[in-house]
Amino acid sequence: DGGITQSPKYLFRKEGQNVTLSCEQNLNHDAMYWYRQDPGQGLRLIYYSQIVNDFQKGDIAEGYSVSREKKESFPLTVTSAQKNPTAFYLCASRRDQGADTQYFGPGTRLTVL
Amino acid sequence: GESVGLHLPTLSVQEGDNSIINCAYSNSASDYFIWYKQESGKGPQFIIDIRSNMDKRQGQRVTVLLNKTVKHLSLQIAATQPGDSAVYFCAENMSSGTYKYIFGTGTRLKVLA
Repeated sequence: DGGITQSPKYLFRKEGQNVTLSCEQNLNHDAMYWYRQDPGQGLRLIYYSQIVNDFQKGDIAEGYSVSREKKESFPLTVTSAQKNPTAFYLCASRRDQGADTQYFGPGTRLTVL
Repeated sequence: GESVGLHLPTLSVQEGDNSIINCAYSNSASDYFIWYKQESGKGPQFIIDIRSNMDKRQGQRVTVLLNKTVKHLSLQIAATQPGDSAVYFCAENMSSGTYKYIFGTGTRLKVLA
């Protein structure tokens, strides 16, 4: 998984609760990303961050929030405003600004009960 | 297990045969391309990449071909093995400063014994 860890592997949440997914990388990468993966669909970008203390919305940011206080950490909070949060969430990182390989973590499966 | 890959196109090949997986990319300005392998319940793994100044790139048992005229990318796997069974998808990126990648929906490869 290229030095990217995500926890937990499985997460269960009751409706109306916020939940935070962890993503840590030890690759010294500048850019970090959060994606959502649903069956039969390509990865969809939730948020990304190019540098510490800066992040941008992706294509499906509504109902999610992030922070980037440290270079190695990019946690994702799934809020109660996210209407269909059950999905497989993937964190990724990339070295620098040029076109380069994006490496993925092992993923977190979130299920809303 | 993870249901990623449900309803995806499926390629079934006999063990030992060669596999060819195709991808049509969307942006003519994309100049960097990646192939990923994703096993059930896991994060995507980098397989091979290619930049637009090349038509072909080879790795260990894998070859990527790029046809910019028709915006087509293919992944060839030689002597397919049972461990190659997974979902394969392509990603495209532009080196002109954007941090965003566009992902294909993927193809499921099934290796028959």
